[in-house]
Amino acid sequence: DQQVKQNSPSLSVQEGRISILNCDYTNSMFDYFLWYKKYPAEGPTFLISISSIKDKNEDGRFTVFLNKSAKHLSLHIVPSQPGDSAVYFCAASGGGNTPLVFGKGTRLSVIA
Amino acid sequence: NAGVMQNPRHLVRRRGQEARLRCSPMKGHSHVYWYRQLPEEGLKFMVYLQKENIIDESGMPKERFSAEFPKEGPSILRIQQVVRGDSAAYFCASSLIGQGISYEQYFGPGTRLTVT
Repeated sequence: DQQVKQNSPSLSVQEGRISILNCDYTNSMFDYFLWYKKYPAEGPTFLISISSIKDKNEDGRFTVFLNKSAKHLSLHIVPSQPGDSAVYFCAASGGGNTPLVFGKGTRLSVIA
Repeated sequence: NAGVMQNPRHLVRRRGQEARLRCSPMKGHSHVYWYRQLPEEGLKFMVYLQKENIIDESGMPKERFSAEFPKEGPSILRIQQVVRGDSAAYFCASSLIGQGISYEQYFGPGTRLTVT
């Protein structure tokens, strides 16, 4: 039973436009959420995170939105750049130094 | 400022052999996690260790798999009598306790295990 779901396996976006990646979770005990970016043959790279006490966190071109009532979060990338092309994983944690639960990932392709 | 180091990057083993994967956490990090990624899947948690202690091994198969994080040296994930289904990418991550309210885990480049 998947606790973290990324229902879109892939997404294509034109350079300069907004990329929106979505993630749903089922476990209401999760209170910390992270997005990781992964290139082929490399480890995931931490991108941005959000605590459940917030509904938005912004870092440069990346913004994560959290809707706790809907158990949904999204990552917005604007403007999208070709270098953003990668697989993006949503991950959730029960807090502290507990293990992360990952979604299956969404492959983003930014087309020049 | 070295990140999480893993070696080897690629490992080929025949069925029945042992595989040893090593992970050195980021400097100052005392928490280590091992994850496994199968093709087209997300990362699945295996085991969480602090120095000399296994904190959570709920994701690790009961047989053939073991992990340690000794007082000195890297963390090691050991797979005995490997089978083809063990072929996967194994990632190690580390974190720093008490880092504000952020609990980011930082990942190594992974070890790609191929069992022939």
